[in-house]
Amino acid sequence: NAGVTQTPKFQVLKTGQSMTLQCAQDMNHEYMSWYRQDPGMGLRLIHYSVGAGITDQGEVPNGYNVSRSTTEDFPLRLLSAAPSQTSVYFCASSYSTVGGVANQPQHFGDGTRLSIL
Amino acid sequence: ILNVEQSPQSLHVQEGDSTNFTCSFPSSNFYALHWYRWETAKSPEALFVMTLNGDEKKKGRISATLNTKEGYSYLYIKGSQPEDSATYLCAYSNSGYALNFGKGTSLLVTP
Repeated sequence: NAGVTQTPKFQVLKTGQSMTLQCAQDMNHEYMSWYRQDPGMGLRLIHYSVGAGITDQGEVPNGYNVSRSTTEDFPLRLLSAAPSQTSVYFCASSYSTVGGVANQPQHFGDGTRLSIL
Repeated sequence: ILNVEQSPQSLHVQEGDSTNFTCSFPSSNFYALHWYRWETAKSPEALFVMTLNGDEKKKGRISATLNTKEGYSYLYIKGSQPEDSATYLCAYSNSGYALNFGKGTSLLVTP
């Protein structure tokens, strides 16, 4: 019963460093997405993917890169970390139906807490 | 950016009380409305996904209603228990592919 697995759970970076947050799901979900959670804010969508080879930007994509080479994996890359990217990051996945995915419940990982000094 | 408002921001009730929260969203181009329960140190867990005006969903003591014409959804908890303590998130979509989350209602139920 792995579901959505995120690694690492915690990470501290220095400004300017790069890193990749990993997300893997074993439910054969077509749709995967990344959110960030900041104090006083709702979950904000960074990037999403509706299938292997297809990605799109969400509300706050700047400073982040994604790719989807397999159905199972959807890594999020920070190209040059900035203190403003200190946040808790959640990956989510769901099935996709004709016309969209938003009528499907999202399955969330446990989150990655990222601090950038 | 689609504005999703949740009220109240936080709520403190006694065990056995019934309570309800509100989620407001744009009433045009509605696609779906989600409710999630988010316990501390865990990940959000889906409660309901609603797509039709007038939808009512129920899971145990928790139920939700949807009014897409006026742009609101209510979540009800009957006979609150301490284990109901969590943050309750709603999320709205008008596109079919992106969810816009509210900031949540934080519920504390004390014995």
